[in-house]
Amino acid sequence: EPEVTQTPSHQVTQMGQEVILRCVPISNHLYFYWYRQILGQKVEFLVSFYNNEISEKSEIFDDQFSVERPDGSNFTLKIRSTKLEDSAMYFCASSEATGLAGSASYEQYFGPGTRLTVT
Amino acid sequence: GNSVTQMEGPVTLSEEAFLTINCTYTATGYPSLFWYVQYPGEGLQLLLKATKADDKGSNKGFEATYRKETTSFHLEKGSVQVSDSAVYFCALRNRGSTLGRLYFGRGTQLTVWP
Repeated sequence: EPEVTQTPSHQVTQMGQEVILRCVPISNHLYFYWYRQILGQKVEFLVSFYNNEISEKSEIFDDQFSVERPDGSNFTLKIRSTKLEDSAMYFCASSEATGLAGSASYEQYFGPGTRLTVT
Repeated sequence: GNSVTQMEGPVTLSEEAFLTINCTYTATGYPSLFWYVQYPGEGLQLLLKATKADDKGSNKGFEATYRKETTSFHLEKGSVQVSDSAVYFCALRNRGSTLGRLYFGRGTQLTVWP
């Protein structure tokens, strides 16, 4: 069964460093998402991406964050200058479609996550 | 705004016990409701969903009914197994909102002992 993959599974970085988290969505999917979960808190939406541009972003997704689909398979999240509070589990997800027009039948498939630890 | 509140964990049960994990929501529109499950080392997987009031979602013996009057979507299973040990997330998506964004609760860790 096709699945979303994420690398690395765990990333440790020093405050102020740049990190790139990588995701390979399911091959025929068109919509891509990043979420994160700080330990003990809710899973929070960061950004959605379609047709090579950001569709929606949350208030968390500030200028330190960027996303890119550099080729036909990868979807990346870059944090330019990491802060201690960026430590979290980051989940990538992909979907065939978004469930607009009253339809909720399009599931978001999630990867296993990348645990980012900023020291 | 949109938010999901779910029962704090961890929940520890013996095999064959009855499970309830409570979930309530607030939403600006008319949401679809979901339960996701995360097994150790894996991604979140959709467990079940309901798209309108009084719908019952079910899968793998789990059930949840969309209750608009109480804004709830509680997860239940009549007889849990050790293999059900996982983290369970309640979530909503507003049908009228942009592009499929999901709003999640904090997750409830379930451990089932033999």
